[in-house]
Amino acid sequence: DQQVKQNSPSLSVQEGRISILNCDYTNSMFDYFLWYKKYPAEGPTFLISISSIKDKNEDGRFTVFLNKSAKHLSLHIVPSQPGDSAVYFCAASHMYSGGGADGLTFGKGTHLIIQP
Amino acid sequence: EAGVAQSPRYKIIEKRQSVAFWCNPISGHATLYWYQQILGQGPKLLIQFQNNGVVDDSQLPKDRFSAERLKGVDSTLKIQPAKLEDSAVYLCASSLAGGQAGELFFGEGSRLTVL
Repeated sequence: DQQVKQNSPSLSVQEGRISILNCDYTNSMFDYFLWYKKYPAEGPTFLISISSIKDKNEDGRFTVFLNKSAKHLSLHIVPSQPGDSAVYFCAASHMYSGGGADGLTFGKGTHLIIQP
Repeated sequence: EAGVAQSPRYKIIEKRQSVAFWCNPISGHATLYWYQQILGQGPKLLIQFQNNGVVDDSQLPKDRFSAERLKGVDSTLKIQPAKLEDSAVYLCASSLAGGQAGELFFGEGSRLTVL
């Protein structure tokens, strides 16, 4: 039972254009969402996150949008650069009111390829 | 600041043999995680420690996998006996307790091949 789904295994985008990566989740307890980026032979690195109390979070070229009613989030990268070529994982968690969180539940990842 | 250290980076064993992986988290990080990433899949949580106590090990196959975090710092993950389906990258991650909501810092991983 996949609680976090990334339905596109790969995505090819031209350099300079917008990359949009999508993620859906099924567990209503999730209230914190993150995107991680992974290069080959390296561990995932944190990219951007969003709390369920927000619908948008922006950090430079990266913006994450959350639609709670649809249980859907997306990562927008604009403009896309060659160094953005990597696997992107969507992840979700439930935060405790007193601090701390459950371990992250990850999707299968989307391999983003930026074409020159 | 030193990142999460893991060793060995690569290990090849035959089925039914045993293997152990070591992790040293970022200094001061109270929470430590072990994830298993099978090729083509996302990382799957095996076990979560808070200091030296287990918070969640619901997805750890306890008949063959064990993990400990003595003294609340380093951690080891052991597989005995290994099966073919255990071939994967084992990722260790750490985070501040209650800290920047959910952000985990990952090591480079230990790639296990079971023949």
